[in-house]
Amino acid sequence: GENVEQHPSTLSVQEGDSAVIKCTYSDSASNYFPWYKQELGKRPQLIIDIRSNVGEKKDQRIAVTLNKTAKHFSLHITETQPEDSAVYFCAATYPNRDDKIIFGKGTRLHILP
Amino acid sequence: NAGVMQNPRHLVRRRGQEARLRCSPMKGHSHVYWYRQLPEEGLKFMVYLQKENIIDESGMPKERFSAEFPKEGPSILRIQQVVRGDSAAYFCASSPTQGGRETQYFGPGTRLLVL
Repeated sequence: GENVEQHPSTLSVQEGDSAVIKCTYSDSASNYFPWYKQELGKRPQLIIDIRSNVGEKKDQRIAVTLNKTAKHFSLHITETQPEDSAVYFCAATYPNRDDKIIFGKGTRLHILP
Repeated sequence: NAGVMQNPRHLVRRRGQEARLRCSPMKGHSHVYWYRQLPEEGLKFMVYLQKENIIDESGMPKERFSAEFPKEGPSILRIQQVVRGDSAAYFCASSPTQGGRETQYFGPGTRLLVL
């Protein structure tokens, strides 16, 4: 079935340290994996995405890695800052379902001063 | 490019009334998706539409909920005879017609409160 598992549900990290959020997906045909950041009361915003033909992508302090064999992908945030505090959602597309996106349940990231 | 627009941003209804939520996709986008988000929870897929077509409505309750995306005008999510459990944030997202169809851009959401 269509399923995206996301861990942890809550993560507290000291400012300046790194944060890692992990997701697994169920359909080996999935080929696109976006990550969204949602601040309190705001819309989800795309922060980075990766396609299945690459194993890693980086954008400044944010990186995403993909292991297609294990059906895992992860978000890495380095040198965390207070403004990184938000809920982060991973997602995977299902090409056999009109590229339907299934979201993980989210990770609430707290950056501690 | 104004981005995905939703209105109203906040909507208060009494039980039994109808709620109409509107979504205007980004320019150049003909795919529209509706999601529901309860407080402290994730995004639950409801329906995927293209112009004049419902592609996937597997996440939408069979009763009281309907969606459309007419040839002209915004996409509408309609909830008839609202109940307290319908209170949630409803987000619309759109994706490009050509290329990058998988990438969805979200609107600001409509927060529905049923009294």
